[in-house]
Amino acid sequence: LAKTTQPISMDSYEGQEVNITCSHNNIATNDYITWYQQFPSQGPRFIIQGYKTKVTNEVASLFIPADRKSSTLSLPRVSLSDTAVYYCLVYRGSTLGRLYFGRGTQLTVWP
Amino acid sequence: DTGVSQNPRHKITKRGQNVTFRCDPISEHNRLYWYRQTLGQGPEFLTYFQNEAQLEKSRLLSDRFSAERPKGSFSTLEIQRTEQGDSAMYLCASSLDGGDEKLFFGSGTQLSVL
Repeated sequence: LAKTTQPISMDSYEGQEVNITCSHNNIATNDYITWYQQFPSQGPRFIIQGYKTKVTNEVASLFIPADRKSSTLSLPRVSLSDTAVYYCLVYRGSTLGRLYFGRGTQLTVWP
Repeated sequence: DTGVSQNPRHKITKRGQNVTFRCDPISEHNRLYWYRQTLGQGPEFLTYFQNEAQLEKSRLLSDRFSAERPKGSFSTLEIQRTEQGDSAMYLCASSLDGGDEKLFFGSGTQLSVL
């Protein structure tokens, strides 16, 4: 599976838009991109997934350029409660739940 | 839908003891996974069940680790002869069959081996 690279940490202030970019240069044609969020002492929580272009849900947007070698998770107007670790993952159907999480990006939102 | 439930939330044991953790997945989910997470790292895949069949266990860390899902509902993860290096958060997740790898995780069992 394609390895992902994302910043170790990011800081933001309440009300700002946060964009976390993930690189996955070796992504394969049948790979999907998914993002999870994890708070301390909790399991990860699915945020969003996509294959190409743009996907939006009630929580976030995911932007994937045409070459699919990177993706950007966009969190609009963050609040203190968005402080968490965000994981970018690449998977394919045959992965059967063997998701590789890496170390993720620690997002800290300040008042 | 009460989510994925894991028990106990915390477990403290002495080196050499056996421990068992339980996971109750979301009721209609037929896929169940176990992951392990150490401080500062992302979750690491251990094993996977589809119904009662354990389809992937090559990532179980040693033969001291075993998992079961006897009736295709709840699952248990057992660690025999625990070692200090086994101290970690053990996470269970479940999902629906269908190729969408949207996993629902429990809150985990934090194991401390003294």
